[in-house]
Amino acid sequence: GAGVSQSPSNKVTEKGKDVELRCDPISGHTALYWYRQSLGQGLEFLIYFQGNSAPDKSGLPSDRFSAERTGGSVSTLTIQRTQQEDSAVYLCASSQGTGSYNEQFFGPGTRLTVL
Amino acid sequence: AQSVSQHNHHVILSEAASLELGCNYSYGGTVNLFWYVQYPGQHLQLLLKYFSGDPLVKGIKGFEAEFIKSKFSFNLRKPSVQWSDTAEYFCAVNERGSYIPTFGRGTSLIVHP
Repeated sequence: GAGVSQSPSNKVTEKGKDVELRCDPISGHTALYWYRQSLGQGLEFLIYFQGNSAPDKSGLPSDRFSAERTGGSVSTLTIQRTQQEDSAVYLCASSQGTGSYNEQFFGPGTRLTVL
Repeated sequence: AQSVSQHNHHVILSEAASLELGCNYSYGGTVNLFWYVQYPGQHLQLLLKYFSGDPLVKGIKGFEAEFIKSKFSFNLRKPSVQWSDTAEYFCAVNERGSYIPTFGRGTSLIVHP
């Protein structure tokens, strides 16, 4: 079946503008993750959704970042008042079930550039 | 907080050379271990994983990794690399019972034909 998809693939915005990044997980996967990957850095965890449970937002770097997941499927990551340090690749991943045993399936990412 | 260290950030090899990429983690409890790979222009994908049992794990494309608990290590190996192994390799560690993995910074591997 289809893999994880993300849109847009690239986004260029001006400092101070808001952006929305979309993730469409694999059908049936209950867990959804957002990560940020900056140049030369590993994947930085941002937020985790599992079914109808309250999301784990412990990785969000500031209150300018928020995310929602509608109907247990599509997720949107919103960055308000973007800053240049927000420039990075934003990756979404989904997995079946919960817990530490599950392989994550990654999307292609959205490359965000803040001018 | 747990950390994952990948000591080699950039590795350049010729085809047929042997490969070993280091991965060390800081957590002292029970862990699940993963190696992911990202080929140029492609998504991150799972290469291999270790949960329990035989500490020598075999993955796709001839890769293997060995879990050495006493050294907190999970090094990735391949006896003979190919040009098509050129990619970015990431080690990831989950504390058992946690759903949030910690990723290393990644190792960029370039294999010359």
